[in-house]
Amino acid sequence: DAGITQSPRHKVTETGTPVTLRCHQTENHRYMYWYRQDPGHGLRLIHYSYGVKDTDKGEVSDGYSVSRSKTEDFLLTLESATSSQTSVYFCAISGTYDQPQHFGDGTRLSIL
Amino acid sequence: AQKITQTQPGMFVQEKEAVTLDCTYDTSDPSYGLFWYKQPSSGEMIFLIYQGSYDQQNATEGRYSLNFQKARKSANLVISASQLGDSAMYFCAMREISSNTGKLIFGQGTTLQVKP
Repeated sequence: DAGITQSPRHKVTETGTPVTLRCHQTENHRYMYWYRQDPGHGLRLIHYSYGVKDTDKGEVSDGYSVSRSKTEDFLLTLESATSSQTSVYFCAISGTYDQPQHFGDGTRLSIL
Repeated sequence: AQKITQTQPGMFVQEKEAVTLDCTYDTSDPSYGLFWYKQPSSGEMIFLIYQGSYDQQNATEGRYSLNFQKARKSANLVISASQLGDSAMYFCAMREISSNTGKLIFGQGTTLQVKP
């Protein structure tokens, strides 16, 4: 299995608080992605990274920011969490852009 | 705009029988890739199979095969000899190669239940 660790695995927080989710990989893969999964929507891309300090937006990036200061870590931050950001968040990695992506186990985030 | 459509929200299949999960896609990019992922009730996303738009033959991986019909823009997943462990949600996804980003667009998923 691909070495991908997401933390925390579960989190409950309140509206308006900042939240940071971490994705850590041990595969030395260049590409990393953050998706959110909601009922009826499948998975939707939030942000992705194609190298250290190289990131770009996905289709649902509003309200989220990311950072990648090291190859192995990709952080997703909700600056001021809202209830609409309650979701399951998945990190994925791939060595090149045309290889299959492998996913972490997900983070279940509830914002009350 | 690229789009993936899975029209079957839920399906049942008898154990040991074959089942086909439908996926249609829309893209203007001549170069793209199609993927299937499995999500069991435990929640992880498991990569199953990949088909490139220029691949001449349909992809196969063990009991999984991808019925790729380019002219009809369909990429159906066929699971042969279903097992109880195949009960899960299945997602079809597409990537446009020309974007050089690897971004995946997912369908809404199909829930498969295998009956003993």
